[in-house]
Amino acid sequence: EVQLVESGGGLVKPGGSLRLSCAASGFTFSSYSMNWVRQAPGKGLEWVSSISSSSSYIYYADSVKGRFTISRDNAKNSLYLQMNSLRAEDTAVYYCARADYDILTGLYYFDYWGQGTLVTVSS
Amino acid sequence: QLVLTQSPSASASLGASVKLTCTLSSGHSSYAIAWHQQQPEKGPRYLMKLNSDGSHSKGDGIPDRFSGSSSGAERYLTISSLQSEDEADYYCQTWGTGIHWVFGGGTKLTVL
Repeated sequence: EVQLVESGGGLVKPGGSLRLSCAASGFTFSSYSMNWVRQAPGKGLEWVSSISSSSSYIYYADSVKGRFTISRDNAKNSLYLQMNSLRAEDTAVYYCARADYDILTGLYYFDYWGQGTLVTVSS
Repeated sequence: QLVLTQSPSASASLGASVKLTCTLSSGHSSYAIAWHQQQPEKGPRYLMKLNSDGSHSKGDGIPDRFSGSSSGAERYLTISSLQSEDEADYYCQTWGTGIHWVFGGGTKLTVL
């Protein structure tokens, strides 16, 4: 059974830092692109960052570029998100999501999600 | 610009059927999408990927009550024999080169 378990959320002051982790199990972690997706209170889903299976390709949403850093450790089946210079608008539940690729259509899609970890940025 | 548009809300009676719509922006009508369900206070759950020709492939354990179809730039999620646990937010999602992952705004489904 595929499981993604996030941790590391909490309350942090504006300008502060936080590191999120995602522990993966039930699949060959090193074979999949992994992502962070967030959801502000009462809002929809927003993609944050993506890292390819071997960390060769890394992408960020414009809203977090230069402040957040995604990384992974395939030996530990773990995904990370280092968040610096946090702002109030970064307050959200952060989800870890596995991405798969449909070769016929060229669609990348999220096929498994974690339960999320809440990050609150407030003074 | 790649944009997915969803109606903010929908409602249907217990045991009835409902069809939710996700519309692709102009110039992107051939794109495939994925549908995700988010029950209250839970993380999202992948339902299915849906192609422009209406063919679809569901995720693990997704009931037969959930199906997908397409027409032009519109992608549909149909839920039949509605149950109380189907009351949730439903998001469509796609991907574009350089744009990466895009979500629709979500549709809140109320089961009456």
